[in-house]
Amino acid sequence: KAGVTQTPRYLIKTRGQQVTLSCSPISGHRSVSWYQQTPGQGLQFLFEYFSETQRNKGNFPGRFSGRQFSNSRSEMNVSTLELGDSALYLCASSLAQTERETQYFGPGTRLLVL
Amino acid sequence: GQQLNQSPQSMFIQEGEDVSMNCTSSSIFNTWLWYKQDPGEGPVLLIALYKAGELTSNGRLTAQFGITRKDSFLNISASIPSDVGIYFCAGPRGTSYGKLTFGQGTILTVHP
Repeated sequence: KAGVTQTPRYLIKTRGQQVTLSCSPISGHRSVSWYQQTPGQGLQFLFEYFSETQRNKGNFPGRFSGRQFSNSRSEMNVSTLELGDSALYLCASSLAQTERETQYFGPGTRLLVL
Repeated sequence: GQQLNQSPQSMFIQEGEDVSMNCTSSSIFNTWLWYKQDPGEGPVLLIALYKAGELTSNGRLTAQFGITRKDSFLNISASIPSDVGIYFCAGPRGTSYGKLTFGQGTILTVHP
């Protein structure tokens, strides 16, 4: 079974631009969560989608948004990029059939904002 | 909000040594998770703990869920070079496993 895939793996953007990152969950998984990882703040939860609906949201500004498609694939978008948005963005998926569901992480998209 | 304090921040050990790291919180967690992240990869779940006092092993790894539900520790016995990486504790916020709070991580370096 293929794991969680994220595209692109690396991205360089400039301040003010916007970016869209993509995540394909493990087949059959319905929940997709996004995290931002930086050296200073560590791993921080962005949002979770389940059956095309945002189920949970972290404490990030409105410039960060996401969506989930009917095939469970998810995208996150960051508008008006700032230097501080440089980070590794991780996506995780799970079956979400019960509360005790393991999340499987993808390799991440490394975003550099110049 | 819920915060997880993980220590130590980094460890430099010799191959064969045992390692211990822990995680504490000011809030109660009903589940403790331990992840490992290798360079260029996403975190991988090592051990999940669901009950206060629970002690669980996974090969050379042993983790315990503290009785107060506010702490957990991870031990690695007889470390080997491939143990190198960043170890994170994590717990779900509320009942949703899709929304995890992570500790700051422990960077482990193993010298052959």
